[in-house]
Amino acid sequence: DTEVTQTPKHLVMGMTNKKSLKCEQHMGHRAMYWYKQKAKKPPELMFVYSYEKLSINESVPSRFSPECPNSSLLNLHLHALQPEDSALYLCASSQVGPLEGYTFGSGTRLTVV
Amino acid sequence: QKEVEQNSGPLSVPEGAIASLNCTYSDRGSQSFFWYRQYSGKSPELIMFIYSNGDKEDGRFTAQLNKASQYVSLLIRDSQPSDSATYLCAVIPDDKIIFGKGTRLHILP
Repeated sequence: DTEVTQTPKHLVMGMTNKKSLKCEQHMGHRAMYWYKQKAKKPPELMFVYSYEKLSINESVPSRFSPECPNSSLLNLHLHALQPEDSALYLCASSQVGPLEGYTFGSGTRLTVV
Repeated sequence: QKEVEQNSGPLSVPEGAIASLNCTYSDRGSQSFFWYRQYSGKSPELIMFIYSNGDKEDGRFTAQLNKASQYVSLLIRDSQPSDSATYLCAVIPDDKIIFGKGTRLHILP
C-alpha cells in the first residue's frame, strides 16, 4: 500500500463541473506536490507546497487551484476544465530539500468530457 | 535549461540477462539521483537513489553514478518479465526533481 493516498482513483467530469482531488500523507513530510502526466510522457510539475505554503507554481492555468489545509493534506480544485486536461494527476510528498526523493500516490485518472 | 536525457527505447532484453539503462544530466551541481519504475497506468515507484560516485547495490538493482561524466545508470540483473516497465531517471539540481522522459524496458520471456 502506498503511503500517499489519493482520492478518487478515477474521475470523469464535464467541462462545466467543479470537482476536487484529494491527497493525504502521514510520513511527516513537509513538502507536497501536484504533477500532471500524459500518456508516454514524464510527470510535469504543477505546484509545490513547502510548510503548507505555495512555493512553486509552474504557470498552471487558473482552472487548477491548489490548497494545502495542513501538513498532511493537499487538494486540487478543478473548474471549467478542457478535454486536453485529461491525464493522470499525481500527488507526491517529500522532506523539504528532497534529497531522498519523492513518494508518489497512486494517482487520479481524470477524464474531461 | 536543466535537462535529464534518456533513450526512450524500447529496450528489449532476454529474461535472465542484464538490463542496462542510462541517463545523462546537464546541471553539474546536481546532488541527488533517482531511478523510478512506472508500470503502464500506474504511478512512479522509487527503486534506487544515489548521492556519491560509484556503485550502489540493492538486490538485483545496481545504480552507478559518475559525476565527472554527468552520467547515472541502472543495471538490473537476472531480468524478469515483471521488470517490464518505463524507468524514469530523476535528478535534483536545486529544490525540485527534474525527470527524464523515461526508457521503456521490455523483458523477453
